[in-house]
Amino acid sequence: GAVVSQHPSRVICKSGTSVKIECRSLDFQATTMFWYRQFPKKSLMLMATSNEGSKATYEQGVEKDKFLINHASLTLSTLTVTSAHPEDSSFYICSAHGGAGLETQYFGPGTRLLVL
Amino acid sequence: AQSVTQLDSHVSVSEGTPVLLRCNYSSSYSPSLFWYVQHPNKGLQLLLKYTSAATLVKGINGFEAEFKKSETSFHLTKPSAHMSDAAEYFCVVDFSGGYNKLIFGAGTRLAVHP
Repeated sequence: GAVVSQHPSRVICKSGTSVKIECRSLDFQATTMFWYRQFPKKSLMLMATSNEGSKATYEQGVEKDKFLINHASLTLSTLTVTSAHPEDSSFYICSAHGGAGLETQYFGPGTRLLVL
Repeated sequence: AQSVTQLDSHVSVSEGTPVLLRCNYSSSYSPSLFWYVQHPNKGLQLLLKYTSAATLVKGINGFEAEFKKSETSFHLTKPSAHMSDAAEYFCVVDFSGGYNKLIFGAGTRLAVHP
């Protein structure tokens, strides 16, 4: 149980376009979802925390207008990278937390974004 | 300041020998501590976690970690490495008091040689 999926797994886009990444909790309801960014051979950095039905909380230094997060249901959160640029190329990972009683966070397999 | 440090970026062991991956944290209180493993093209998997219960925590795949408050350490060990253990390991800390705001260490890449 406690599976989190991400779609797409890989995406290549042109500079200036927007890309949407989906994160789904497949067998539990996620009250909170988290979005991380991982640079090559680096650790994960928390970008934002989203609770279902409310605005996301962004970490310091993360542009909320560039990285739009929507958590419209208890099983789906989306991250949209707007007007993508090559420096936005990275590995984006989501995680989901189902509240008390479940292990801390379950992570998705990640989405590799390449902006040309 | 609160931080988590993984002392080794790379660790290489022979199959069948013990594994030690070191982790230290900096905090004025005891946070929740975790070890996650990341295999290529797979999601992060929780190995084990410490949340103020027993200081020796047993996890999956034969891994265990010991919380030592006096040393502010949470080192990960396994008595006998297997080839399938080769992966990236992250020591992770929740300083937020249960709000699940995780801080990741830099990671340790474990290589296992035959």
